[in-house]
Amino acid sequence: GQQLNQSPQSMFIQEGEDVSMNCTSSSIFNTWLWYKQDPGEGPVLLIALYKAGELTSNGRLTAQFGITRKDSFLNISASIPSDVGIYFCAGQGSGGSNYKLTFGKGTLLTVNP
Amino acid sequence: KAGVTQTPRYLIKTRGQQVTLSCSPISGHRSVSWYQQTPGQGLQFLFEYFSETQRNKGNFPGRFSGRQFSNSRSEMNVSTLELGDSALYLCASRGTSTGELFFGEGSRLTVL
Repeated sequence: GQQLNQSPQSMFIQEGEDVSMNCTSSSIFNTWLWYKQDPGEGPVLLIALYKAGELTSNGRLTAQFGITRKDSFLNISASIPSDVGIYFCAGQGSGGSNYKLTFGKGTLLTVNP
Repeated sequence: KAGVTQTPRYLIKTRGQQVTLSCSPISGHRSVSWYQQTPGQGLQFLFEYFSETQRNKGNFPGRFSGRQFSNSRSEMNVSTLELGDSALYLCASRGTSTGELFFGEGSRLTVL
């Protein structure tokens, strides 16, 4: 089945630093989604990507859909303490059983004030 | 627009019991998916329902089942609970097959 490798598993950074995380897939995806999850809450959608090469921003967050359609990147600029949480990537193929999303295992981000 | 609503938020059961979790999707969304989240395994896909039909199923034993009603509300049931079933169960809905997935806050199940 489809597998997603998300890295890094965790990051510990200082407030104000930029952050970068990525996901790679063993197969091609048509959609990439990035989520943030706070403790005890459900994941919240941050950015959705639908085209290879697409670069989309949401405030200090920027995500890109890789040209090969097998990877995606999320960057956070000028991190602040409320950026703390787990970030998940998710990819979706096309048709049939590929309608379900495959999730990465998450990147735990800790921001030191 | 109200988000995805899950009930109950927290519950404690003992081994061998069964549990039913409920999910109300965003109004107008016909697709409902269920995920199990544990610290070691991350988000594991359970199943997806669309217009009362199960469209996809993950690799979970038959003790895990679900259904969807005509108003798109969904329930999942876990029978003969095991300690390893302790997890956060997340429901998510979307408006189209390829649309963005929106999650509820989850139901935290503890099995003693």
